[in-house]
Parts: sequence; C-alpha cells; structure tokens
Amino acid sequence: DQQVKQNSPSLSVQEGRISILNCDYTNSMFDYFLWYKKYPAEGPTFLISISSIKDKNEDGRFTVFLNKSAKHLSLHIVPSQPGDSAVYFCAASADNAGNMLTFGGGTRLMVKP
Amino acid sequence: DVKVTQSSRYLVKRTGEKVFLECVQDMDHENMFWYRQDPGLGLRLIYFSYDVKMKEKGDIPEGYSVSREKKERFSLILESASTNQTSMYLCASSASGTGISTDTQYFGPGTRLTVL
Repeated sequence: DQQVKQNSPSLSVQEGRISILNCDYTNSMFDYFLWYKKYPAEGPTFLISISSIKDKNEDGRFTVFLNKSAKHLSLHIVPSQPGDSAVYFCAASADNAGNMLTFGGGTRLMVKP
Repeated sequence: DVKVTQSSRYLVKRTGEKVFLECVQDMDHENMFWYRQDPGLGLRLIYFSYDVKMKEKGDIPEGYSVSREKKERFSLILESASTNQTSMYLCASSASGTGISTDTQYFGPGTRLTVL
C-alpha cells in the first residue's frame, strides 16, 4: 500500500495563477517532507522541504504547507510560469528509516502561457 | 554542487542480455540508491547502499543486483534483462546522518532502458 499518495496525476494552470499540488501520507513516523521537480529525460531535482515541526516553509515562489493532523501537505507555486511545467514528486522520510525516501506517484503540472 | 552521473542516457538491450548501469557521485556521499520510474508509479526503490560493499534490498529488488566496490560508484545489474524491465532508471546519493540535510537525495540524469 502506498504510504505517500499524490491523487492528481495532472494539473493544468494558466500562467500567472497559483498552482497547488497536493500530497497525502499515511505513516505517522514521517519527519521530513520534500518536493522534487522532474523535467522529461532528466533526473529529479530537489525543490523545497519541510520538517514536521513546522507547518510552512517558503522559498521564493514556492511554499510548502504541512497539516500533520490531516497527514497532508501541499506545494503552492505563485505565480506559475511556463518553465514550471514538469512532474512534481512528493517524498517523505523518517528518522528511523536511515535516509530512505518514500515517493508519491507524481503530478504533471502544465502551465499554459 | 553535487554531481551524480550515469553511464548512459539511453540504452537498448535484448531479452536475456546482462545489463550494467553505472552511477558515480563526486560528493563523498555514504548513501547511494537505485530507483526505477514508471508512469503513475513514482520512483520505486530497487536497492540502496550505506557504505562500500554494503547493500540493502529496496521495494522491488527482484531481477536486479548491485555492486559497490568504491564509495563513489554504485552499479545496477540486470542479470537477464526482460521486457518488463523497460523503464527509466535513476541513481541518487545522499550524505549519512539524521535530519533534512542528509535526507535530501541528489539524482543523476537517468538512463532510459528499453528491452526488446
């Protein structure tokens, strides 16, 4: 059973608007959450992360929100740009898992000019 | 900057062939990982290694083996390639320890393997 789920396989957004990508998890032992961005034919690149002791982390246009009680996190991109079009993976780790990451299935974001 | 390189970007092999995928990282990371990425399934962990000559099975190790003779190099081996191993293979590395800085993994560009 998938411990990290991204229920929307794709999302289409107009340039300049907000993109919201969602991720749900089931394992309450997860301590850290990361978002990766992947362009076709390239490896994923680290985007932003959040520790479970926080509920928000912001880096420029990217903000990640964590709701521990709901076991839910989201990535907000404001404003969205065409270059943001990629597949976004949510990942989680637990201190007792030895640096292993559990990934979600990914959401393909398309930002239309 | 962390750099993870993979020996091939694209590879075409025939069923039954032995396939070697090589990965090298230049950041002196202790941990190295092999994943495969398939549409809708995300990244699934095949094998990982915490140190030289050490390996651990991930979620889908069947049909694969690994080798880590040097700290910077981690090889994935398909003993007898099959068509269901057609996929994108991604190598990653990370430092050891606890906390977000060491949990962050750095990925190579991937190898698109096609088995005919």
